[in-house]
Amino acid sequence: DIQMTQSPSTLSASVGDRVTITCRASQSISTWLAWYQQKPGKAPKVLMYKASNLESGVPSRFSGSGSGTEFTLTISSLQPDDFATYYCQQYNSYSLTFGGGTKVEIK
Amino acid sequence: EVQLVESGGGLVQPGGSLRLSCEASGFTLSTYWMGWVRQAPGKGLEWVANINPHGSEEYYVDSVKGRFTISRDNAKNSLHLQLNSLRVEDTAVYYCARVDPYNTGWFDFWGQGTLVTVSS
Repeated sequence: DIQMTQSPSTLSASVGDRVTITCRASQSISTWLAWYQQKPGKAPKVLMYKASNLESGVPSRFSGSGSGTEFTLTISSLQPDDFATYYCQQYNSYSLTFGGGTKVEIK
Repeated sequence: EVQLVESGGGLVQPGGSLRLSCEASGFTLSTYWMGWVRQAPGKGLEWVANINPHGSEEYYVDSVKGRFTISRDNAKNSLHLQLNSLRVEDTAVYYCARVDPYNTGWFDFWGQGTLVTVSS
């Protein structure tokens, strides 16, 4: 199975900061990668798919990049609503896997 | 409006069984792959199983193969997950999720989840 490793596991930041989260795959997954945001007690919500495609309704301050084994999710200017946990997910194969998550906390 | 509503969770003893259901509305279920994703308390997301629109293809994470079965009833707009031989480590919130319209493998809509607790 393809392993997904996210870093950092926790990130402390302030409103207005530029934030970058990294996701690494154990083997090449082309651009078959999605990013999700999850708030406590809620279901995940998709932000990006195919590494860099913004899902409808998601603010443009979110962006994604990467291909192969290394990917990033960037929030250009962190807003109060963005404090949450973020997960990457690969869908290169029928056996889907998620990263361990990155919690974005208030500094 | 797309809605997915899970039910069937609860407390069960190790070795027991449970059947989860997911009622879908706001879209044509028969044209979408569907899946289940779980989240143990305080932990990350783990994909559990997917099923194709006609119910003829099923895929599972290794840790549940032979114990869990995903199924669907398109006529009743419902998705199911049969959980057998449950273990303490199966304790989690189980989410029903719709696979993207391009059928590539990401999840575009999720239910609110149903909690399964396996404990003696």
